[in-house]
Order: sequence, then C-alpha cells, then structure tokens
Amino acid sequence: LAKTTQPISMDSYEGQEVNITCSHNNIATNDYITWYQQFPSQGPRFIIQGYKTKVTNEVASLFIPADRKSSTLSLPRVSLSDTAVYYCLVGDGAGNQFYFGTGTSLTVIP
Amino acid sequence: GAGVSQSPSNKVTEKGKDVELRCDPISGHTALYWYRQSLGQGLEFLIYFQGNSAPDKSGLPSDRFSAERTGGSVSTLTIQRTQQEDSAVYLCASSSLRLYGYTFGSGTRLTVV
Repeated sequence: LAKTTQPISMDSYEGQEVNITCSHNNIATNDYITWYQQFPSQGPRFIIQGYKTKVTNEVASLFIPADRKSSTLSLPRVSLSDTAVYYCLVGDGAGNQFYFGTGTSLTVIP
Repeated sequence: GAGVSQSPSNKVTEKGKDVELRCDPISGHTALYWYRQSLGQGLEFLIYFQGNSAPDKSGLPSDRFSAERTGGSVSTLTIQRTQQEDSAVYLCASSSLRLYGYTFGSGTRLTVV
C-alpha cells in the first residue's frame, strides 16, 4: 500500500503560482496519481490525474518525475477561491485508489 | 441524475439507535465508494462496490457497519447501535472506471447524541 506524504499546510498570496508536492516512494508500476480539492462542508472534487511526465487541464498541471516517487500539483495564479484542502492519492498496487492522505490545507491571502 | 445524491443531508440520532444512509450514484457508474470524515480530519475509506462483484469491506471499522448496493445502483450504509464516535460526515462517491476520478456527493452529517 503506497503511502502519501504532503505538507500539512501552505499559504500563498493571490496571483501567485502554488506548487504542492506529494511523496509516494512505494508507488506501484501500475498506479496512477490523482489529486482532489475539498472545500469546507463539501465532498472532494477531482482535479487531475496522471501516470508520468506532465498533465495539464484547465484547472491545474501535474508534474511527475521519471522515478514517479513524487508528484507536484501546480495551480497557476491562485485566487481566494482556491483556499481548500488538496489531497493526492495513489493506488494499492491492484488498481484501487481508496486511501486519502492527510491533505494539504492551502490558504490564499489577499 | 447529474451528480451523486445522498440523503438525508443531516441526521441526528440517539446513541444505540440504528441509522440508514442512502447514496444514489451517477447513472451508469459501476463503482461506488463510502467514506467517513470526522471533523477536521481526512477521509477514511469504508467500503467499495464494483459492478456485481463482492464488495471490498476492508475499511469498515466494526461489525456494526454494513452496506449494500441493490441492482448495481443505489447503496445504503447502515450503522447499528450507533455510538458517539460514529458522529462524522459520511461521503459517497461513484466512478465509471476504477482509475478515473471519483464524483462525490455532498455527504450526510451524522450526529449521535
């Protein structure tokens, strides 16, 4: 079971780029990496998923180095509405992604 | 429906009573998950259903917890003889493929008094 490690909290000013790194040293060959965003009193929301190199969508980018032992979620030009908890997930080696880590609480400051 | 629907949104129950929480997944989603989130904490995996396969119950915290999924669609999470430590938000999610992102419902906030 691949365990993930993320910073507990981060602060950023509005308009800055924010990078949140997740460590997953024991990731299995067939595991994907998925990131979610959670606002208070809501369920998590899927942001992005990747396997290797770089993935970009309209919300974020995900950078995965060749050894895949970590991944970095990049949020361009954050706004106050990006204040949330961000979780990264990896699988259990059998294609299941059940286990959320403690997440990173991002606070965007005006 | 357009999203994952959970009911009730809030439930207050007395210690020792049984409760049933309902989840209506996105139509066509074969995978369904239940999670629990205590105040200020992360998400705790409870149970996973995939199609007609036997569910993965490895996350259920005790035998007071059970879940079923009828007809591959609606799911019910049942907690028997509720305890105060069961107070939490219970979240349901569904997905169309195991490795793609989940869509979560808004949760049921359970308070055991």
